[in-house]
Amino acid sequence: GQQVMQIPQYQHVQEGEDFTTYCNSSTTLSNIQWYKQRPGGHPVFLIQLVKSGEVKKQKRLTFQFGEAKKNSSLHITATQTTDVGTYFCAGPENAGNMLTFGGGTRLMVKP
Amino acid sequence: DVKVTQSSRYLVKRTGEKVFLECVQDMDHENMFWYRQDPGLGLRLIYFSYDVKMKEKGDIPEGYSVSREKKERFSLILESASTNQTSMYLCASSFIQDSGNTIYFGEGSWLTVV
Repeated sequence: GQQVMQIPQYQHVQEGEDFTTYCNSSTTLSNIQWYKQRPGGHPVFLIQLVKSGEVKKQKRLTFQFGEAKKNSSLHITATQTTDVGTYFCAGPENAGNMLTFGGGTRLMVKP
Repeated sequence: DVKVTQSSRYLVKRTGEKVFLECVQDMDHENMFWYRQDPGLGLRLIYFSYDVKMKEKGDIPEGYSVSREKKERFSLILESASTNQTSMYLCASSFIQDSGNTIYFGEGSWLTVV
C-alpha cells in the first residue's frame, strides 16, 4: 500500500533558526496536506497543495509540493517557541476517502 | 467553524470492560474516522465510515468495532478492553472535495486500561 515517510523524526532548534521537514510518498499524490499538533493537542489542518511544483506561504511557513507530486516540504523561517509541535504531512490513498499520514516531525524550540 | 466533539477527554477502564468512545460532528460530513496515536507510531487508522451504516477497516481494526447509525455520530467500541489499548484516540471527519479531503480532528480521548 501507499507509504508516506517524513524526516527528520525529531528536530531541536534554537529560537530564531530555520527548520525544514520533508515528506516523501511511495506513490504520486493528487494533493498533499499538512497538519500541526501542539503538545497535548490534536492535529489541526494547515494547508493543502494540489498543483505540481506549487509553493504556498503562511507568514513564516513555506510549503512546497514537488514537481513529480511525490514529495513535499515545510520550511519555517526564524522559528519561535509557538512553532513547537509535531508537523504531519498526509496524502490521499488512491484519491479515495482515506488519508495516509506521515510519521510526523516533532519540532522543539529552545528559547 | 467545524466542530468535532469527543464525549470523553480522559477515561480509566479496567481490563475486560466494554468501552464506548463517542464522536459527533456538526458539519454534515460524509466521512468519519477513528485513529489512535501512540508515541513513535504516529496516527494509525482504526476504522472509517463514508456513510451512515457503512464502515471500512483501517490499518489496525483488531479489538475494535464501530457504529454509525446517524450521519453526525461515529462510535468506537472496545468490546473487551486490554492494556495494550491504552492510547489517545482521535475522531475526525471530512467531506470530499474535488481534489481530496481535509480532515478535522476532535480534541482526543485519552484512554487508560488498567
